[in-house]
Amino acid sequence: QLQLQESGPGLVKPSETLSLTCTVSGGSIGSSSSYWGWIRQPPGKGLEWIGTIYYSGSTYYNPSLRSRLTISVDTSKNQFSLKLNSVAAADTAVYFCARHSRPYFYYLDVWGKGTTVTVSS
Amino acid sequence: EIVLTQSPGTLSLSPGERATLSCRASQSVSSSYLAWYQQKPGQAPRLLIYGASSRATGIPDRFSGSGSGTDFTLTISRLEPEDFTVYYCQQYGSSLWTFGQGTKVEIK
Repeated sequence: QLQLQESGPGLVKPSETLSLTCTVSGGSIGSSSSYWGWIRQPPGKGLEWIGTIYYSGSTYYNPSLRSRLTISVDTSKNQFSLKLNSVAAADTAVYFCARHSRPYFYYLDVWGKGTTVTVSS
Repeated sequence: EIVLTQSPGTLSLSPGERATLSCRASQSVSSSYLAWYQQKPGQAPRLLIYGASSRATGIPDRFSGSGSGTDFTLTISRLEPEDFTVYYCQQYGSSLWTFGQGTKVEIK
């Protein structure tokens, strides 16, 4: 059974870089040409798609975050990662990683439990 | 970028009643690209409906989706106690994924 687990610091200072990793277990990150995504949810608010990476490394970013965002994949570790630089209080959120459905990548069918990141000095 | 607008923001109903949730897109969306999710407090979202009308694995048949173009609907035929939570629509287009702002179904 495929499982995803987010990890990373729960507290980041303003203007610094937020770094999170999603570890995939129960399956290979490169299997069946999969896409992998990051989604966030500010406290009490709705879901925001952050970005998506193909197992081969192609990336797709939310235009509102593109200038600050890097998503990468490490197939040898079965992980993919997110780096968001120059963070501010508005980046405080629960961050989820998820697998895009297969064979069509239009939806997100397996999600991690989420990790809370607070931006504060 | 396609914007999804969900209505109502909050729906107050009683168990056993029928719930009808709306998702309107700012421009036409292929039905293949439209999904619905359920999110309970403190949990990750769960895929309910994909392709506008297909139920995901394990989803009870009281959940159904319909619609095309710019107007899509999630219907819960008879509300069970566990259905009172938040629902999101989501679409894919031009290498971007966007979510609606959510509809909360609360107990009346």
